[in-house]
Amino acid sequence: AQSVTQLGSHVSVSEGALVLLRCNYSSSVPPYLFWYVQYPNQGLQLLLKYTSAATLVKGINGFEAEFKKSETSFHLTKPSAHMSDAAEYFCAVGGNNRLAFGKGNQVVVIP
Amino acid sequence: DAEITQSPRHKITETGRQVTLACHQTWNHNNMFWYRQDLGHGLRLIHYSYGVQDTNKGEVSDGYSVSRSNTEDLPLTLESAASSQTSVYFCASSEGTASYEQYFGPGTRLTVT
Repeated sequence: AQSVTQLGSHVSVSEGALVLLRCNYSSSVPPYLFWYVQYPNQGLQLLLKYTSAATLVKGINGFEAEFKKSETSFHLTKPSAHMSDAAEYFCAVGGNNRLAFGKGNQVVVIP
Repeated sequence: DAEITQSPRHKITETGRQVTLACHQTWNHNNMFWYRQDLGHGLRLIHYSYGVQDTNKGEVSDGYSVSRSNTEDLPLTLESAASSQTSVYFCASSEGTASYEQYFGPGTRLTVT
């Protein structure tokens, strides 16, 4: 069965600093990997997805993620945090027509 | 534009009552899903459907049921609401392909008193 691990439920980052959210996955087949963002009182919105094309995936709002098979990782980064990046971020892995989600990272941006 | 909607957005009910949460999508997607979101647990799958008349249990299905009579709708029913079912519920849909990308509704906040 597929699963993902996200460490650190709360992540604080200074405005203008690098945002790094870690995701490690477990999958018995080549994975489809996703990052979703959830703003307060809203549903989840797709940030980016990996579907076995390029290993470096660019998403919306300046985010990108790199697929590393040897490390079973799909970490999310953004070079410079903005106040509007304050949200909860979920990593997910696809398999059997379903998604398995990590527990999420709550990102706080400090001015 | 295609969308996925949920109603009601907020609901307060009493223990033991039956509650139905609605989910409607206009993407014409075959796959539909119900999740609950709780602090410290992320999103957990309750039930899912791969098409009309198809329903399947997820990891936290006890106390919940769904039915799929058409492509657009997957209502979630709490047979006898319990305080442990106080949560935020999300509906999602996806195409019947291998890409697995899901589109989410805005959520329903349910409080069971």
